[in-house]
Amino acid sequence: NAGVTQTPKFQVLKTGQSMTLQCAQDMNHEYMSWYRQDPGMGLRLIHYSVGAGITDQGEVPNGYNVSRSTTEDFPLRLLSAAPSQTSVYFCASSTQGGETQYFGPGTRLLVL
Amino acid sequence: GDSVTQMEGPVTLSEEAFLTINCTYTATGYPSLFWYVQYPGEGLQLLLKATKADDKGSNKGFEATYRKETTSFHLEKGSVQVSDSAVYFCALSGVNDMRFGAGTRLTVKP
Repeated sequence: NAGVTQTPKFQVLKTGQSMTLQCAQDMNHEYMSWYRQDPGMGLRLIHYSVGAGITDQGEVPNGYNVSRSTTEDFPLRLLSAAPSQTSVYFCASSTQGGETQYFGPGTRLLVL
Repeated sequence: GDSVTQMEGPVTLSEEAFLTINCTYTATGYPSLFWYVQYPGEGLQLLLKATKADDKGSNKGFEATYRKETTSFHLEKGSVQVSDSAVYFCALSGVNDMRFGAGTRLTVKP
């Protein structure tokens, strides 16, 4: 099993550009989520999904969109990147929201 | 809302020293409690967990006990190694999410 995979590993964007961060898992987990990690602030939940076709907002959803068309994939879209979105982004999956989370390796995003 | 607070870092120890990283929580119900570890350049991975009061989670020489009376889940290890250098996160389970502390960076020097 590959577990949770994320692409790309690193990305540089200019302000106003759009991009999609990819996330996939092969553990048949119903729950998937996106976090951002910033120095001194731990992990903050952006969006989550409890199953295909169902998504909901987390603590910091502004500027991000998600969709969940399949159980395996949960992409995160930045519609118009801003410097405040410079961060490290982690995707995670689990059987349920409150159960052990399995994390991907992360995507480091720099917005200039 | 439910939350966790963990001790500020960074923490620097010599090899074979005793480690304690404090974590306290605020919750209306009875959440599960977790410690995750993040090694440099990697994602978080589960270190240990406890699902109810008085449970002790343990793994790789690390231990933490779910203390309802003090709302705490402190992480301990009797003898740290250089390879334990990482960032440690305390977390609790929510209904549809997991709440993380800010993280504590541990550096172990030989």
